Amino acid sequence: SQQGEEDPQALSIQEGENATMNCSYKTSINNLQWYRQNSGRGLVHLILIRSNEREKHSGRLRVTLDTSKKSSSLLITASRAADTASYFCATDARETSGSRLTFGEGTQLTVNP
Amino acid sequence: DTAVSQTPKYLVTQMGNDKSIKCEQNLGHDTMYWYKQDSKKFLKIMFSYNNKELIINETVPNRFSPKSPDKAHLNLHINSLELGDSAVYFCATTSRQSRANVLTFGAGSRLTVL
Repeated sequence: SQQGEEDPQALSIQEGENATMNCSYKTSINNLQWYRQNSGRGLVHLILIRSNEREKHSGRLRVTLDTSKKSSSLLITASRAADTASYFCATDARETSGSRLTFGEGTQLTVNP
Repeated sequence: DTAVSQTPKYLVTQMGNDKSIKCEQNLGHDTMYWYKQDSKKFLKIMFSYNNKELIINETVPNRFSPKSPDKAHLNLHINSLELGDSAVYFCATTSRQSRANVLTFGAGSRLTVL
């Protein structure tokens, strides 16, 4: 089954800096999503980009998608200490057996105040 | 009012025991999932139910048995627990009517098998 790979596995930056996380996947997708997970919590959906879109913005988040390279990036601008969390990409490859999201391995982001 | 609630949040038990985790959603979604997150935070899908019908069943030991008594509930029963079952189990929901498969997750149930 398809599995996303993210890099870096861990990223540590100072408050105010930008954070970029990358995700690669292997098969055709309908859309790609990014989720955030705070320590000890469930995942929270951040943003979705469809396969026919190349870039999307939501507040301080910017997502790009390159279907020819099967890769996506998540940029968080002007980071804050509260952005410290794990970030996961997830690909939606609809199948006859039912939709499923396949998650990447995640990037642990630490924003130092 | 929590949209997707799981109980218990923490579960510590001995090897060989049988335990259950429950999930309830009040979003009116028709599809519910169980995911397992291991110690390296890797998330793997286990099961999916749509309108009480099992539609995804990954390669999971048959010691794991999901049950959906109605659209709002999805429970996970685990028999003969093993050390390797220790993980955080997440319930998630979505609506197949929406074009995008966006998941709403519960807070997780951390299972520790001693």
